[in-house]
Amino acid sequence: AQKVTQAQTEISVVEKEDVTLDCVYETRDTTYYLFWYKQPPSGELVFLIRRNSFDEQNEISGRYSWNFQKSTSSFNFTITASQVVDSAVYFCALISDNYGQNFVFGPGTRLSVLP
Amino acid sequence: GAVVSQHPSWVICKSGTSVKIECRSLDFQATTMFWYRQFPKQSLMLMATSNEGSKATYEQGVEKDKFLINHASLTLSTLTVTSAHPEDSSFYICSARDAMRPGTDTQYFGPGTRLTVL
Repeated sequence: AQKVTQAQTEISVVEKEDVTLDCVYETRDTTYYLFWYKQPPSGELVFLIRRNSFDEQNEISGRYSWNFQKSTSSFNFTITASQVVDSAVYFCALISDNYGQNFVFGPGTRLSVLP
Repeated sequence: GAVVSQHPSWVICKSGTSVKIECRSLDFQATTMFWYRQFPKQSLMLMATSNEGSKATYEQGVEKDKFLINHASLTLSTLTVTSAHPEDSSFYICSARDAMRPGTDTQYFGPGTRLTVL
């Protein structure tokens, strides 16, 4: 079975603080893909990053960074110097080649960045 | 990136009526489309997998006679909620997989359709 866990249901930070959103996944497949999506109040999913299971390099994109560790089945997401516009629900998701090829989403983390 | 559209973006209907939601891939062909449902403050859950030219595959607990899916072309899948009831009120999102790109991960989401049943 496949599963994605996001332990933090809600997080509140003050603007300019750094914040890390945790994601732990489960899959028996050796080839899989991990994603992070942002969902603002409008509902539309905004793609943030895709990482395949063979690429454990961490990635940085502006204020965003991702830490992928296969040893702990984690794919954590850090926002540096958070801004009010970062307030949204963030979903971690998993696709694998051999299990339906559909997205399996975590429960989401609601991030509130206060001014 | 690839574009997927959904129509309508929101709809309000009376209980007992049927509502059709369209999912279109605008600049690529999609042999497979997926339909997800998201209740308020919850995550997205897969409802069904739609394959062009064949019957959809429904997830456990999803009534196939209530949620009719048609994928008659490589760019269009439709979800019809028949005899809608207030508990069907939800946010429905589709994703489309690019048929020309082999990777499982080449899927793109539509913007979603918010259904409210009175």
